[in-house]
Amino acid sequence: KQEVTQIPAALSVPEGENLVLNCSFTDSAIYNLQWFRQDPGKGLTSLLLIQSSQREQTSGRLNASLDKSSGRSTLYIAASQPGDSATYLCAVGGDSGSRLTFGEGTQLTVNP
Amino acid sequence: DVKVTQSSRYLVKRTGEKVFLECVQDMDHENMFWYRQDPGLGLRLIYFSYDVKMKEKGDIPEGYSVSREKKERFSLILESASTNQTSMYLCASSKLAGANEQFFGPGTRLTVL
Repeated sequence: KQEVTQIPAALSVPEGENLVLNCSFTDSAIYNLQWFRQDPGKGLTSLLLIQSSQREQTSGRLNASLDKSSGRSTLYIAASQPGDSATYLCAVGGDSGSRLTFGEGTQLTVNP
Repeated sequence: DVKVTQSSRYLVKRTGEKVFLECVQDMDHENMFWYRQDPGLGLRLIYFSYDVKMKEKGDIPEGYSVSREKKERFSLILESASTNQTSMYLCASSKLAGANEQFFGPGTRLTVL
């Protein structure tokens, strides 16, 4: 059974800092990996999707990498801003990609 | 943009009531999902559907049922609500083929008294 772990559970940084969020998974036979953002009391917003054949994806200040063999993904946020404060969730898609297994998230606070 | 909507943002029900949570997506997605999210337990899949009238159990289907009569609509039903079903319920959808990127609705915060 796939297990997804995100470390750290919480992170507090000053504005402007570059930061890395980590995600690890136990079964490397994945279809895709998706990073989400969740604001308090709200739904999930898809940030980046990496297919199993890809190594990384970029969107604006965000860059996500995938290393299937080691069971790891990282989300890099450049020049962090207070508006980036949210919980970031990593989710791994299995064989067909339809079912996702989620990590518990990293709660990020960016201080002005 | 993909849009997934849920019928209520907040809902308060009493123990034993039958509860319907509705989800609608406007992008002709084949797959639809219902999750619940609880502190310390993360997101857990309740049921999903890959086609009209098709359904598959997720990890925690007990106490729930679903209905998918139309492609764009996926309903979650709590046959007899209990206090341990107090939670945030999230609906999502994705295409059957290709990238399978999942898109989520805003969530329904259900409280069962």
